[in-house]
Amino acid sequence: QVQLVESGGGLVKPGGSLRLSCAASGFTFSDYYMSWIRQAPGKGLEWVSYISSSGSTIYYADSVKGRFTISRDNAKNSLYLQMNSLRAEDTAVYYCARDLYSYGSQGFDYWGQGTLVTVSS
Amino acid sequence: EIVLTQSPATLSLSPGERATLSCRASQSVSSYLAWYQQKPGQAPRLLIYDASNRATGIPARFSGSGSGTDFTLTISSLEPEDFAVYYCQQRSNWPPEVTFGPGTKVDIK
Repeated sequence: QVQLVESGGGLVKPGGSLRLSCAASGFTFSDYYMSWIRQAPGKGLEWVSYISSSGSTIYYADSVKGRFTISRDNAKNSLYLQMNSLRAEDTAVYYCARDLYSYGSQGFDYWGQGTLVTVSS
Repeated sequence: EIVLTQSPATLSLSPGERATLSCRASQSVSSYLAWYQQKPGQAPRLLIYDASNRATGIPARFSGSGSGTDFTLTISSLEPEDFAVYYCQQRSNWPPEVTFGPGTKVDIK
C-alpha cells in the first residue's frame, strides 16, 4: 500500500535551518510529482512547493521562495525540503503528498502523517 | 494569484441531512479543482479530483460538480464520520501555484 512517512521536524530558532525528509513506498516514486504542504496550528492548508517526477521542474510559494529548496532522490524513493532562514510564521505541520498532476489530474491523493516544525527562540 | 472562497464557513447539520458546500475561484480554473476532508489530528484525505471524480475508496454519498469558477461538494446524507473540515484546492499553470480555500467546517447541529 502507498505510504509516505515524513521526518526531520523539531524545534529551531529563528534564522535556523532544518531538513525534512519523506520516505515513499508502495508505488513507483519516480512516476509521480510530489509536493510539500503545510498547516500552521489551528489554520488552513498552504501549499509550499512541488517537484516534477524527474526533478527538472520545481515551483515554490512566494512565502518560501529563496529560503526553501525541494529535492528528490528517486533511487532512494525520498523527497526532501531544505528550510533555511526560518521564521516564526514557518511554524506548522509539514506534509508530503503524492501529486496526481503527474497524470494530468488535479489532486493530492496520498499524504503523510506530517512532521511538526516549530520556530521559536 | 487565484483566490478560492468557500461558503459557508460553518455548516451545522444533523446526521442524515444533505450538505452542500460551495467553492468559488477568482478566475476560471477549468475543472482543475479538488476537495479534501480533514478531521482533527489527521492528514487531509482526497475526496474529489478534477471537480467531479471520486477518489479511490470514497463513498458514493460524496459528489462534486462545477467548472470554471463555481464548484460544489455535496454529501447526500451525512454520516456521523462526515463531520469535519472540507477544503477545496486548485492548481494554475501560470503563475505555477497551488492554492487552497479557507475551509468549511461541517458540525453537528
